[in-house]
Amino acid sequence: DTGVSQNPRHKITKRGQNVTFRCDPISEHNRLYWYRQTLGQGPEFLTYFQNEAQLEKSRLLSDRFSAERPKGSFSTLEIQRTEQGDSAMYLCASSYMRDSWETQYFGPGTRLLVL
Amino acid sequence: ELKVEQNPLFLSMQEGKNYTIYCNYSTTSDRLYWYRQDPGKSLESLFVLLSNGAVKQEGRLMASLDTKARLSTLHITAAVHDLSATYFCAVDINFGNEKLTFGTGTRLTIIP
Repeated sequence: DTGVSQNPRHKITKRGQNVTFRCDPISEHNRLYWYRQTLGQGPEFLTYFQNEAQLEKSRLLSDRFSAERPKGSFSTLEIQRTEQGDSAMYLCASSYMRDSWETQYFGPGTRLLVL
Repeated sequence: ELKVEQNPLFLSMQEGKNYTIYCNYSTTSDRLYWYRQDPGKSLESLFVLLSNGAVKQEGRLMASLDTKARLSTLHITAAVHDLSATYFCAVDINFGNEKLTFGTGTRLTIIP
């Protein structure tokens, strides 16, 4: 396994369209995170899963956003009725929880541009 | 609300010089992470600091954590061009829910 993968790497869409991104974590990792990064800023937490359970969602995640991890493996992030403010890099990370800490390994990201 | 601040935001330095990046955070935590990001690329984990006084070193980079001061430093020794990147610190405060709060990053440019 070579790391976290994300598809597509780039997405251009028109305002109002729906988009879906996929993340494949490192195979033995039980936790999966989604972050959003805008230009010149650090990543901001959106949501995370432990196995298939979605355990927390950020206030940043409006009703237009939905994330799933149906079998505790890959995850999808869907944005409905996209807005220009959704333009950002969407990063996925995965980790394996040790005793009291973990390192999150990030994927290459999906860069979204909403026109 | 946890706030994580880095300074400087931009740093341009000559090869061979030493410098330090600072990371302050507003809420008690004993887990701090440093990541590196190259332009257009994702984040690469550099260090995990898990206790007060923790010090980690890898090559020309050394990171330390002072939980009482809520401060971490990333020290660069004898900088080389390959270290040019954006460096982020990140903090998590809830055991069992390790969402990270990132700083705004320090964009480091090493000039030959």
